[in-house]
Amino acid sequence: GNSVTQMEGPVTLSEEAFLTINCTYTATGYPSLFWYVQYPGEGLQLLLKATKADDKGSNKGFEATYRKETTSFHLEKGSVQVSDSAVYFCALTTNNQAGTALIFGKGTTLSVSS
Amino acid sequence: NAGVTQTPKFRVLKTGQSMTLLCAQDMNHEYMYWYRQDPGMGLRLIHYSVGEGTTAKGEVPDGYNVSRLKKQNFLLGLESAAPSQTSVYFCASSYSFVGFDYEQYFGPGTRLTVT
Repeated sequence: GNSVTQMEGPVTLSEEAFLTINCTYTATGYPSLFWYVQYPGEGLQLLLKATKADDKGSNKGFEATYRKETTSFHLEKGSVQVSDSAVYFCALTTNNQAGTALIFGKGTTLSVSS
Repeated sequence: NAGVTQTPKFRVLKTGQSMTLLCAQDMNHEYMYWYRQDPGMGLRLIHYSVGEGTTAKGEVPDGYNVSRLKKQNFLLGLESAAPSQTSVYFCASSYSFVGFDYEQYFGPGTRLTVT
């Protein structure tokens, strides 16, 4: 079945450090891939997405590239800020998925200190 | 444009009590979803709907029922609450099928505690 595996946290960084959160997936068909972010006490917000192999999603300085050969969609940011502290979820959906519902990873907590 | 709203934000129930969580969206979305979020588990799909009057089971449907009588509303019911249903519940909606414009929009969540 379809699944998403992402690195366990928490990830603790100093401001301006480089961030990588690993995400790999297993899917039948051709999945679309997403990163969602959840700030404390809030719902999930779409951070970026990629719908086909080699696509790069980007937003707010975050990037992730859809790598079909390694079934990965790692999230990166060159210089994190305290305001980036949140929980990050990697997710996928496929055109054979129930109502296009998302399959989520378990989430990675990022804590950035000044 | 309020997006996706959820009522209530917090609730404490005793074992065996019942309640209904309401989700409303004003984006004219066809698809709506209920997820639950538990520590270390990510989000898991409970039930979903692909249009008014339709519902279907997701990954963890036991103990829950849903209804989609109006396109803009999606109700999640707990008939006899159990401590295992203590969780944060998120509603989401989306318009198009998988493709370039696909995005799910999430509500702020309902924190439910069953004692």
